[in-house]
Amino acid sequence: DVKVTQSSRYLVKRTGEKVFLECVQDMDHENMFWYRQDPGLGLRLIYFSYDVKMKEKGDIPEGYSVSREKKERFSLILESASTNQTSMYLCASSVTRGVYEKLFFGSGTQLSVL
Amino acid sequence: EDKVVQSPLSLVVHEGDTVTLNCSYEVTNFRSLLWYKQEKKAPTFLFMLTSSGIEKKSGRLSSILDKKELFSILNITATQTGDSAVYLCAVLYNAGNNRKLIWGLGTSLAVNP
Repeated sequence: DVKVTQSSRYLVKRTGEKVFLECVQDMDHENMFWYRQDPGLGLRLIYFSYDVKMKEKGDIPEGYSVSREKKERFSLILESASTNQTSMYLCASSVTRGVYEKLFFGSGTQLSVL
Repeated sequence: EDKVVQSPLSLVVHEGDTVTLNCSYEVTNFRSLLWYKQEKKAPTFLFMLTSSGIEKKSGRLSSILDKKELFSILNITATQTGDSAVYLCAVLYNAGNNRKLIWGLGTSLAVNP
């Protein structure tokens, strides 16, 4: 079974802190994605990557950056956390470039910014 | 504006009931419609539909797409408490040179014993 692992289930940070959310997949998938999920807004794509060191902006990239130094690892960075970044963050991966249908999701990180 | 609308937003049923969840969409350059089940936190893939009228089935779950009327339904027969989850619908479409996935807000299903 594909496993997508997010490093933290719950995280509490202070406004202005730099926050790293880590995601690792173990099935050699090319595509990796970061979403945030908010009540009433659904899943929104922040960034995705289809190869090592490649990244593409999603629908809401402002305030975020990403890093993909190794194929299996995709990190989401909040340079200076703000309260409006309190959310559930979901990482996902899919097999090959251009295949976005079957996504494998991690269990999510609930981030609270105080 | 591209959108995916799911209904109802929430549903409470008793074990053994049959439920039908709805997903309607408005997108240009449609490619496929997907259903996911989200228990606790991680959504898991259920079905991908690309052609009208062809039912996809997995155990007690089935789904069908109507590309003319722009909607899909997800049926769950003989519901069990383990079916309690949020069911998400998403539509993949071409946007210029890219593909985009747009998600509905989900239907929260609670199955009571």
